[in-house]
Parts: sequence; structure tokens; C-alpha cells
Amino acid sequence: AQKVTQAQTEISVVEKEDVTLDCVYETRDTTYYLFWYKQPPSGELVFLIRRNSFDEQNEISGRYSWNFQKSTSSFNFTITASQVVDSAVYFCALSESLGGGYQKVTFGTGTKLQVIP
Amino acid sequence: DTGVSQNPRHKITKRGQNVTFRCDPISEHNRLYWYRQTLGQGPEFLTYFQNEAQLEKSRLLSDRFSAERPKGSFSTLEIQRTEQGDSAMYLCASSLAIELNTEAFFGQGTRLTVV
Repeated sequence: AQKVTQAQTEISVVEKEDVTLDCVYETRDTTYYLFWYKQPPSGELVFLIRRNSFDEQNEISGRYSWNFQKSTSSFNFTITASQVVDSAVYFCALSESLGGGYQKVTFGTGTKLQVIP
Repeated sequence: DTGVSQNPRHKITKRGQNVTFRCDPISEHNRLYWYRQTLGQGPEFLTYFQNEAQLEKSRLLSDRFSAERPKGSFSTLEIQRTEQGDSAMYLCASSLAIELNTEAFFGQGTRLTVV
């Protein structure tokens, strides 16, 4: 069975600090997708990134960066120079790839990030 | 199109009553998913449709739950004889089933409170 572990339940940082959210996953599949979603207080899940299991290149998008390490089954997310608007719950997720796109996704329990001004 | 729309946003019901939620996906999306999120947890998969066909159901979807997508567009999720344990946020998502396109768009959810 698939499993996603986000060991950090809550993190507080002061604005402009960098913060890394950890994600460790388990799967028997050789082909899978990993995601990060942001859930602000409004409740809507906002897609941030998708990576497939064959692409271990790290990715940077503005203040966001992701470190995918297959050897340790980790997919960590770093926010550089955090801002108050980054305050939200962040979910890491894992999807089985059965062909044809998005399939059943297993979410972690989330990390609540509070950025203090 | 403004995204995935869910109605109602909030629902309070008495235990034992039936409730129905509606999800309108992004218009060209042929896949539709239902998830449930309880407090402090990540969303848990309930079921998904490709067009009007319900292709997978989680064991979380007891016989009191039924989901439909009759014309392959909007979907409804009905809970019969609600229990307090059904209190949760019910999230709907949609996506386009094209290989390599694996982004699903989530709605804002329906928060159900069973009293």
C-alpha cells in the first residue's frame, strides 16, 4: 500500500526565513507521481508541483524549490524568504500511475506552516 | 470557466438525515474525483469517474454513500442516514485524462457537520 509521511505537523517561522517541509513516501510501484498542494484557510487545494518517478531533477519556481531523492524516498519542499501569504497547510501526495493520467492519490497528513510577520 | 464548483459550501444536518452534495467540474474534464478530509488529516480518496462510469470506489465509501455522474458532467454525492462520523470536508476534483496530464483541480469543498 502507498503511504506518505509528513512528520512535521506544524512549523512557525519568521517572515523572510527559509523553511523546508519534509515528505517521505512508500510505494511498490516503479512508476508514480509526487505532488505538493497548498491549502489556505479558504479550504481549496492549490496544486503546486508534480514530478514523475523518472525525473529526479530538482526544480525551482520563484521562491519555491523541490528536492526529489529516490534513494531516500523523499520529496522535500523549500520556501525561500517566506512571506505571510505562505501561511497554509501543505500536503505532499503520491499517485499511482496506471496510464492515462491522474489516478488515485494518497495524501500525507499535512504540515501547517505559520509565517510570523 | 472559473474552476471546479461545489455546492453547498456548508451543510449542517441532524443525525439520520440524508444529504446530497453537487460538484460541477471544469467543463472539458472527463475525470471527476471525490475525496473526504477530516480535521487534521489529508484528503482521502473516495471514488472517481471517467465520464459517467464510476471506475473505482474506496472501502471508505460505505453503502450509505452513493455517487453518480449521470451525464458525464456534474456529479452528486449522497449520504444516507448521516452519522456524526460523517462530519468532514468533502472535496471534488476534476482532470483531463490525457497521458502526462496529471494535474487535478480541486473545488473549495463542502463542509458537512452532523449534529
